[in-house]
Amino acid sequence: QQQVKQSPQSLIVQKGGISIINCAYENTAFDYFPWYQQFPGKGPALLIAIRPDVSEKKEGRFTISFNKSAKQFSLHIMDSQPGDSATYFCAASMTPLGGSNYKLTFGKGTLLTVNP
Amino acid sequence: GAGVSQSPSNKVTEKGKDVELRCDPISGHTALYWYRQRLGQGLEFLIYFQGNSAPDKSGLPSDRFSAERTGESVSTLTIQRTQQEDSAVYLCASSPRGTPRENTIYFGEGSWLTVV
Repeated sequence: QQQVKQSPQSLIVQKGGISIINCAYENTAFDYFPWYQQFPGKGPALLIAIRPDVSEKKEGRFTISFNKSAKQFSLHIMDSQPGDSATYFCAASMTPLGGSNYKLTFGKGTLLTVNP
Repeated sequence: GAGVSQSPSNKVTEKGKDVELRCDPISGHTALYWYRQRLGQGLEFLIYFQGNSAPDKSGLPSDRFSAERTGESVSTLTIQRTQQEDSAVYLCASSPRGTPRENTIYFGEGSWLTVV
């Protein structure tokens, strides 16, 4: 059972455009939603993260929009640049009763290509 | 080094052989994770170590997989009697504590395993 569904699988955007990647989750116990960026041959790196008590978080050109009722969250990259070309993964984790939320469940990834 | 170090970076092995993958976490990081990334897939959680606590092995796919960690330092992931479906990138990550909600998880560049 795939707990985090990510779309699209691939995305091509022109330089200066807006890139939008969507994720949907099933487990309402998830309480932390990070996005990771991965360049070829490198490990994923945390890009931005959000908690369900806010609907939006912005860091520079990157924004997460969160819709708790729809169980969806998305990454928006404004003014996309060729250097943003990478694979993006959404993820989710939850805090188990009496424990810590260390297990991240990842989406399958979106390959973003930004054309110059 | 400053980051999570993994070795080997690439490994080609024959079906049925055993392999050992090594991870050197960032100094001072008490939490260590192993994830598997199959081609075109998201990251699958394998195992988690936090200090001297018992590891969470719930993600290990079969009893052919095992992992050890010496204190808060090096970890080794061992795959016995490798199968072709074990071909993947094995990613190690560490964090100051075992809560991705509170602390960034830093990934290594991975060990690419190919079973022929």
